[in-house]
Amino acid sequence: DTGVSQDPRHKITKRGQNVTFRCDPISEHNRLYWYRQTLGQGPEFLTYFQNEAQLEKSRLLSDRFSAERPKGSFSTLEIQRTEQGDSAMYLCASSLAGAGGGRRETQYFGPGTRLLVL
Amino acid sequence: GQNIDQPTEMTATEGAIVQINCTYQTSGFNGLFWYQQHAGEAPTFLSYNVLDGLEEKGRFSSFLSRSKGYSYLLLKELQMKDSASYLCAVIGDDYKLSFGAGTTVTVRA
Repeated sequence: DTGVSQDPRHKITKRGQNVTFRCDPISEHNRLYWYRQTLGQGPEFLTYFQNEAQLEKSRLLSDRFSAERPKGSFSTLEIQRTEQGDSAMYLCASSLAGAGGGRRETQYFGPGTRLLVL
Repeated sequence: GQNIDQPTEMTATEGAIVQINCTYQTSGFNGLFWYQQHAGEAPTFLSYNVLDGLEEKGRFSSFLSRSKGYSYLLLKELQMKDSASYLCAVIGDDYKLSFGAGTTVTVRA
């Protein structure tokens, strides 16, 4: 399977606990994105990496959120001291960025991690 | 900032045609994407437009007018499995995708 994978698919946690999600992008893709999606809304950008460098973070990403992509391959998204408002689907996407952009910037999404904070 | 508008819901009959409109106001423009998302699943890529005109791919077609900031996705010969949310997304100068809220299409027998 050469698609984007995410783990776990579902996570239930109590308020105040820390959670970590993993994303494995399509192997040749150099860009990796994290999004958050709540019911009835489109995905909202959180952050993205080009190779191992984190190039941008949304202001939606509070200090409790941190993301890493240590070797330019898989990425982790950690949420510390979770709050009920963090309950959402967390989506990872990857793309192959190059000169000219356009179709090569098509982002392919993983199945998502659904987080429920009780 | 980015502003992307699309209708919330549409209903159509199996075998019919449905057109989902999307208007956008964005900082820069490097293409418009349509994604399909079934409930509880990830978005899947449907189409990409960067030049004006119509792109046809089987039962699905996507149209773009850059001067009007307007796109539509046309679904023909609707099938029950086409019931899903359809997301319009624009990629701006920063190469980030900005999504609309999605249009939920319900196909009825």
